[in-house]
Amino acid sequence: GENVEQHPSTLSVQEGDSAVIKCTYSDSASNYFPWYKQELGKRPQLIIDIRSNVGEKKDQRIAVTLNKTAKHFSLHITETQPEDSAVYFCAASKANFGNEKLTFGTGTRLTIIP
Amino acid sequence: DTAVSQTPKYLVTQMGNDKSIKCEQNLGHDTMYWYKQDSKKFLKIMFSYNNKELIINETVPNRFSPKSPDKAHLNLHINSLELGDSAVYFCASSQGAGSGNTIYFGEGSWLTVV
Repeated sequence: GENVEQHPSTLSVQEGDSAVIKCTYSDSASNYFPWYKQELGKRPQLIIDIRSNVGEKKDQRIAVTLNKTAKHFSLHITETQPEDSAVYFCAASKANFGNEKLTFGTGTRLTIIP
Repeated sequence: DTAVSQTPKYLVTQMGNDKSIKCEQNLGHDTMYWYKQDSKKFLKIMFSYNNKELIINETVPNRFSPKSPDKAHLNLHINSLELGDSAVYFCASSQGAGSGNTIYFGEGSWLTVV
């Protein structure tokens, strides 16, 4: 089955700086890579996703890049703000297969230092 | 209007007891899930149902039994609770059975077994 590794497990950055979280996956057939954000005591929520037919996707201050050859993808947050403090999860799956599950990474606790 | 709602939010119970967590979604989604998040924040799928049919059943002790009376409801019953069952249990839903769809999580049910 799919295995997703996520690094770093914790990350502290100064407010206004950029943050990068990296994930690798094992199954070359995986084609869907979402990122979920979980604030303290809250539910995980999708913030951005990318499919294997594109290499990069941006949404305001967040962007995700995908390298299919190397089987890794990354989340980039620019101009970080205190509200970006949360646990971020990457995930991977083979989309459009009914019995395929989304495999989550182990999470990165991001702390923005004011 | 809560999209995915689960009850109870907090549950403290003794070892050996049986407990249930209820979940309902009003998004009109076809697929519902139960995820377990342990103390290290690892997020693991337990079960997935599509239109009341079980499609994913991870390696979960058979003390855990999901029930889906209709596609808007997915309940989780746990027999003979053990200390290791203490975790946050998230119900979730998505449109379609494929894993390439956005997953909407409920608020979580904090289960503590003493």
